[in-house]
Amino acid sequence: ETGVTQSPTHLIKTRGQQVTLRCSSQSGHNTVSWYQQALGQGPQFIFQYYREEENGRGNFPPRFSGLQFPNYSSELNVNALELDDSALYLCATTTRNQETQYFGPGTRLLVL
Amino acid sequence: QKEVEQNSGPLSVPEGAIASLNCTYSDRVSQSFFWYRQYSGKSPELIMSIYSNGDKEDGRFTAQLNKASQYVSLLIRDSQPSDSATYLCAVVLMDGSARQLTFGSGTQLTVLP
Repeated sequence: ETGVTQSPTHLIKTRGQQVTLRCSSQSGHNTVSWYQQALGQGPQFIFQYYREEENGRGNFPPRFSGLQFPNYSSELNVNALELDDSALYLCATTTRNQETQYFGPGTRLLVL
Repeated sequence: QKEVEQNSGPLSVPEGAIASLNCTYSDRVSQSFFWYRQYSGKSPELIMSIYSNGDKEDGRFTAQLNKASQYVSLLIRDSQPSDSATYLCAVVLMDGSARQLTFGSGTQLTVLP
């Protein structure tokens, strides 16, 4: 148990819809990263938030956006869903100066 | 060239044997390296971190790092069926001020009873 929680656990959407995924950080962890893991692949970095601001982004289009709240919880929003967005979405939390990131259980998104 | 590459697998070993998992990375500046274990349908679980050249042992697991060769490996001694999982190698890359984990595609390990 890492103390990181995510909701919902599973989600089914149709192409073109919008989705919001949520992550609650482990106590004291002020940095949150989001990753997308397609079937059979390693997780891919989407972006990272620190002090409610995005401070790093991977190779994902602007329709992937996020928020971090004062209590360090976070949201990932994806607009205009595409079939290829079907994946396991993981959040990982840490402190600013720590290298180790702790993953939540993930949200499995299926886009039909 | 991918930034982090792992031996593709799948890898099968008999119970009690040593499983050897390998990973190479392309960024010479990388300083932090991790092995995660991922059971089917679950999220990655950290099993080892290594920052300095040489070996680091934790129970049945030994991580080995060679920065000159840009190579990191994981040995699992006395492999058990419960070790059957996908093992992900991850490297921290600095992207501005963000510490970004870059993963390999994973090696699927099966330990046969």
